[in-house]
Amino acid sequence: DTAVSQTPKYLVTQMGNDKSIKCEQNLGHDTMYWYKQDSKKFLKIMFSYNNKELIINETVPNRFSPKSPDKAHLNLHINSLELGDSAVYFCASSATLNQPQHFGDGTRLSIL
Amino acid sequence: GQQVMQIPQYQHVQEGEDFTTYCNSSTTLSNIQWYKQRPGGHPVFLIQLVKSGEVKKQKRLTFQFGEAKKNSSLHITATQTTDVGTYFCAMNTGNQFYFGTGTSLTVIP
Repeated sequence: DTAVSQTPKYLVTQMGNDKSIKCEQNLGHDTMYWYKQDSKKFLKIMFSYNNKELIINETVPNRFSPKSPDKAHLNLHINSLELGDSAVYFCASSATLNQPQHFGDGTRLSIL
Repeated sequence: GQQVMQIPQYQHVQEGEDFTTYCNSSTTLSNIQWYKQRPGGHPVFLIQLVKSGEVKKQKRLTFQFGEAKKNSSLHITATQTTDVGTYFCAMNTGNQFYFGTGTSLTVIP
């Protein structure tokens, strides 16, 4: 069974649209994260969600909103997509905050 | 979020040569983690270092944590083509957690 799974794997859409990426972990971890990896391979943390507490990276535009229905799921909703949002988005989880992380396979988002 | 430069950014080596990447922080770290990302893949956790001066080995990989807990290195002995990928350090200050910029390793057969 895949430990951290995210869907879809690829997402191609037009500027201005709203889209969501889903993430689920079956490791029983308390903490989940969303990362953005740009074309230069920089991994930037966007959000971490630990025991129902959301920690926001202040540089993330408020068009991005994480939603966690339960401890095993952390979805990412993006409003009014822009060209600069094109990147690979990784979901990850860890037993507790800032402990070793398991990553999903990534969602490659392309904005036309 | 914060980003810390890893050195070097890119490294091309002949198969069999050694490789080292360095990670430096201006603040004392609670721990440091190392990850490997294969081309087209996702980051995979390799190891976590916690103690000052700690040295850990995984086969041909040697990880070190500095005495002041502000820097770390990953050394690969006798590289193989399977070592290709980007190696990231991830630093935990207690208040903040962030990835280094990564070192992309190419191994020429």
